Amino acid sequence: GQQVMQIPQYQHVQEGEDFTTYCNSSTTLSNIQWYKQRPGGHPVFLIQLVKSGEVKKQKRLTFQFGEAKKNSSLHITATQTTDVGTYFCAAANAGGTSYGKLTFGQGTILTVHP
Amino acid sequence: NAGVTQTPKFQVLKTGQSMTLQCAQDMNHEYMSWYRQDPGMGLRLIHYSVGAGITDQGEVPNGYNVSRSTTEDFPLRLLSAAPSQTSVYFCASRRGRGSYNEQFFGPGTRLTVL
Repeated sequence: GQQVMQIPQYQHVQEGEDFTTYCNSSTTLSNIQWYKQRPGGHPVFLIQLVKSGEVKKQKRLTFQFGEAKKNSSLHITATQTTDVGTYFCAAANAGGTSYGKLTFGQGTILTVHP
Repeated sequence: NAGVTQTPKFQVLKTGQSMTLQCAQDMNHEYMSWYRQDPGMGLRLIHYSVGAGITDQGEVPNGYNVSRSTTEDFPLRLLSAAPSQTSVYFCASRRGRGSYNEQFFGPGTRLTVL
C-alpha cells in the first residue's frame, strides 16, 4: 500500500525560531493536505496542495508541493507558543480506484519553548 | 451545525468485550471514515464509506466492523476487544467521494482495553 514518510518525528524550538516538516512519497500524488492537531485535540484541516510546484502561504505558514508531486513541506517562520501541536500530511495517490483514500504521515510533534 | 460528533469520549473495556463507537455528522457528507491514532504511527485508516450502504476496508480493518445505513451515522463495532486495540479513535467526514475536500474530524474516543 501507499506509504508516506514524514520527518522529523519531533522538533523542539525556541520561540522565534523557524520550523519545517517534510513529507515524502514513493508514488506520485494527486493531492496532499496538511492538518494540525493541538495536544488533546483532533486534527484540523490547514490547507490542500494540488498542482506541481505549488506554494501557498497562510500568515507565517508556507506550504510547498514538489515538482514531481512526490513530496511536500510545511515551513513556519518565527514560531510562537500557539504553534505547538502535531502536524500531519495526508496524501492521495494519483490514478487508481482508491475512492480518494488519504494516507497520513506519522506526524511531527512541535514543541515551542518560550 | 454540530459537525462530527462521537460518543463515548472515554471507554474502558475488558479483553473479549464488545462495544460500538458512535459517529454522526450533520453536514450531509458522502464520505465517512474511522481512524485510529497510536503514538508515532500517525492516523491509520480502519474502514471508510462513500455513501449509505457502501463500506470498504482501510489499512487496519481486522477486529472491527462497520455499517452505513444512513448518510448521517457510521458506527464502528469492536467484536472482541483486545489490548492491541487500545488507542484513540477518530471519525471523519468530507463532502464527495474524491480526496480533494477537507476532512472534518470528531473529538475522538479514547479506548483502553485491559
